[in-house]
Amino acid sequence: GENVEQHPSTLSVQEGDSAVIKCTYSDSASNYFPWYKQELGKRPQLIIDIRSNVGEKKDQRIAVTLNKTAKHFSLHITETQPEDSAVYFCAASLSYGKLTFGQGTILTVHP
Amino acid sequence: DTAVSQTPKYLVTQMGNDKSIKCEQNLGHDTMYWYKQDSKKFLKIMFSYNNKELIINETVPNRFSPKSPDKAHLNLHINSLELGDSAVYFCASSQDWGQPQHFGDGTRLSIL
Repeated sequence: GENVEQHPSTLSVQEGDSAVIKCTYSDSASNYFPWYKQELGKRPQLIIDIRSNVGEKKDQRIAVTLNKTAKHFSLHITETQPEDSAVYFCAASLSYGKLTFGQGTILTVHP
Repeated sequence: DTAVSQTPKYLVTQMGNDKSIKCEQNLGHDTMYWYKQDSKKFLKIMFSYNNKELIINETVPNRFSPKSPDKAHLNLHINSLELGDSAVYFCASSQDWGQPQHFGDGTRLSIL
């Protein structure tokens, strides 16, 4: 089955810096890669996603890149703000919708 | 209006009891899911239903039984609760397979 590895497990940055979280997946048939943000005690919320026919997608301060050959994808957050502090999860999905999640990255943005 | 709603939000019960968690979505989605998030925050899929039909059934103990009475509802019944069942259970829904999934607020289950 699919296996998703996520790094780093914790990331601490200063407000205004950029943050990058990386994930690798094992099944080359995976074709959908969402990223979720989960604040303490809250539900995971979809922040951006990318499909396998696209190499990069951007939405304001967040962007995702996908390298199908290397089977890795990354989340980039620019101009970080304290409210970006949360746990971020990457995931990979095969066509029938089963999401396999990474282990999560605790992002802390210091004011 | 909450898109994916779960009840109850908290569930505290004794080992050996049977309990149910209910989930409803008002997004008109065809596919619904149950996830378990353990104490280390790891999210793992348990079940998925598409149009009331079971399509994903991960290696979950038989004590867990999902039921989908209609497209908008997916309930989870757990028999003979064990200490290891303590976790947050999230319901989610998506328009169809492989589409963005929207999560409910979760049910925190604590076994005494």
